Amino acid sequence: NAGVTQTPKFQVLKTGQSMTLQCAQDMNHNSMYWYRQDPGMGLRLIYYSASEGTTDKGEVPNGYNVSRLNKREFSLRLESAAPSQTSVYFCASSETGTAKNIQYFGAGTRLSVL
Amino acid sequence: AQTVTQSQPEMSVQEAETVTLSCTYDTSESDYYLFWYKQPPSRQMILVIRQEAYKQQNATENRFSVNFQKAAKSFSLKISDSQLGDAAMYFCAYRRRNNDMRFGAGTRLTVKP
Repeated sequence: NAGVTQTPKFQVLKTGQSMTLQCAQDMNHNSMYWYRQDPGMGLRLIYYSASEGTTDKGEVPNGYNVSRLNKREFSLRLESAAPSQTSVYFCASSETGTAKNIQYFGAGTRLSVL
Repeated sequence: AQTVTQSQPEMSVQEAETVTLSCTYDTSESDYYLFWYKQPPSRQMILVIRQEAYKQQNATENRFSVNFQKAAKSFSLKISDSQLGDAAMYFCAYRRRNNDMRFGAGTRLTVKP
């Protein structure tokens, strides 16, 4: 039962470098999400994909891009990393995007930007 | 914008005792969902319990129950017979419509043996 799998688990970048965080789910869910978690704060939504082929901005989208590659995979890209993007990133999925559906989370990626 | 407030950054409880974690939220909507998530040191976010706002009955999952006060916009989590494995960060979350879930800042729960 893999659920939601994120890679890598840890990453260190220099300012200005780019990278892509990968996320895959095996629950046949339609909706997928990217969050960031900063110290002393709850998770904040960066982008989401309600269904394959669609993506939309969340609360804090600046500095990020996403790709819903297929139903299983949803990637998050940092084109030019900044120290303010140091955070723990979580991917999640749910059966659909309606409010009642439970979101299932991956184990997170800890990203440090120096 | 909807906000979720957890006023207790840290709480501690003796093993086998009961503890209540507080959560309040701000909304003008009548139909929404509330969640409590647990985040152990492994960082995995695990759903503890869910409450539909249109249901007056408080949700219960084994040792976990909520006290949902819609008029007061309060959604507290009660953990009975606390166990060492309950030690974690607990996040309250509010969701009104599609893809718009807001989290509180979390409460760190310590369980003392």
